[in-house]
Amino acid sequence: QKEVEQNSGPLSVPEGAIASLNCTYSDRGSQSFFWYRQYSGKSPELIMSIYSNGDKEDGRFTAQLNKASQYVSLLIRDSQPSDSATYLCAVKHFGNEKLTFGTGTRLTIIP
Amino acid sequence: EAGVAQSPRYKIIEKRQSVAFWCNPISGHATLYWYQQILGQGPKLLIQFQNNGVVDDSQLPKDRFSAERLKGVDSTLKIQPAKLEDSAVYLCASSLDWDRRTGKVRGYTFGSGTRLTVV
Repeated sequence: QKEVEQNSGPLSVPEGAIASLNCTYSDRGSQSFFWYRQYSGKSPELIMSIYSNGDKEDGRFTAQLNKASQYVSLLIRDSQPSDSATYLCAVKHFGNEKLTFGTGTRLTIIP
Repeated sequence: EAGVAQSPRYKIIEKRQSVAFWCNPISGHATLYWYQQILGQGPKLLIQFQNNGVVDDSQLPKDRFSAERLKGVDSTLKIQPAKLEDSAVYLCASSLDWDRRTGKVRGYTFGSGTRLTVV
C-alpha cells in the first residue's frame, strides 16, 4: 500500500464548477497535510496546509481533513482555466520534517 | 526574498557518465532537501540535510548518488555513473526550523529544478 494515494486523473471540470480532489494516507501518525500545485514543466508550489480535522478555507480553495478516515481533500470553487495543473497531496509525520508526496491528480478546467 | 536557486536547468548525458547539480537554499533556511521527480510521479525524497548534517538519506541510492552540504549552505548532488532510469527532474527545497509542538512547517520552498535526461 502506498503511503499517500491519489487518483491520477485526468479530472476534467467545466469552468465555473467545483473541482474536488481527494487523497488518502496510510500512516496514522501523520500530523500535517499539504496541497501543492504543479504546472507542467514547473516546480511544485504550496497552496494549502491543514493540521486539524475539519475545513480550512483560503479564497477559492478549501482543504478538508478527516484523520479518523485518513482522508484529505481539496475543493476549488469557481474553477478557472488557470487552475489546470497537477495537484500533489503531501503528508508529514510528526517528529520528521520530510514530506511524502502522492503521485498527483491532473486537473483540466474546460472553458 | 530570493528563492531557492538551482543549476543547471537542463542536462543531457550518456549513461555511465557523471553529473552534478547545485542548490543554494533561501538564506537562513536550515533544512535542505533533494527530491527526485520521475515523469508522472510525485516527488520522492532522496536526502534531507539539517545545517550540514544528514538527517535522512534512506532512499538515496548510495552506490551511485552522493550529496554534500558543506558549511550548511549550498548543496551538491552527484550521480556517478548515471543510468537510464535516473532521467527525472531533481528538485531542491529548503525550509526554516519548524514548531515541534504543533508540527507546523514554517516554510518549504522548491527551486525550479534540474531536468536530467540520460541517453
